[in-house]
Amino acid sequence: AQSVTQLGSHVSVSEGALVLLRCNYSSSVPPYLFWYVQYPNQGLQLLLKYTTGATLVKGINGFEAEFKKSETSFHLTKPSAHMSDAAEYFCAVRRRGATNKLIFGTGTLLAVQP
Amino acid sequence: DAGVIQSPRHEVTEMGQEVTLRCKPISGHDYLFWYRQTMMRGLELLIYFNNNVPIDDSGMPEDRFSAKMPNASFSTLKIQPSEPRDSAVYFCASSPLGDTQYFGPGTRLTVL
Repeated sequence: AQSVTQLGSHVSVSEGALVLLRCNYSSSVPPYLFWYVQYPNQGLQLLLKYTTGATLVKGINGFEAEFKKSETSFHLTKPSAHMSDAAEYFCAVRRRGATNKLIFGTGTLLAVQP
Repeated sequence: DAGVIQSPRHEVTEMGQEVTLRCKPISGHDYLFWYRQTMMRGLELLIYFNNNVPIDDSGMPEDRFSAKMPNASFSTLKIQPSEPRDSAVYFCASSPLGDTQYFGPGTRLTVL
């Protein structure tokens, strides 16, 4: 069965510092991978996704993630944090094939300190 | 272009009452998903539809929960009877091809 693990339920960075949010997946075949962001009292919004091709994926708001098959990871990064990045971030996987079911991680709450 | 619309945004009800949550997906999207989000269990997929047909309802907690999609522009999630443990934020999401999902703002349900 597929699963996704997000290390660190809370991450705090200073404004301007590097953001690194970790995501590891468990799957016998590399799945499709997604990062979503949830701002307070809002629904989830897609940041970026990996399906095939280039392993470094660029998303909105300056975020990017790199698919590393050897490490079964899909960590999310941003070179310089902004106050507006404070939100909860979810990694998700979807098995290649007929299903459209997304499996979400437990989320990482990012705090950005001034 | 309007996003996914959910109503109501907040619902407070008493245990034993019937609750109906509503969702209007983005026009042209063939897939519709219902999720539940709680602190304890995170984000769980309850059910999803393709072209108005339920495809996977394995996440529906129990018979008290039911979901329908009578047409391409409307879906409901019903809980009858409701219980305090059903308190959560319920999200609806739609997708054109089943991969990228677009989420609504959610309905915050409180069952007293």
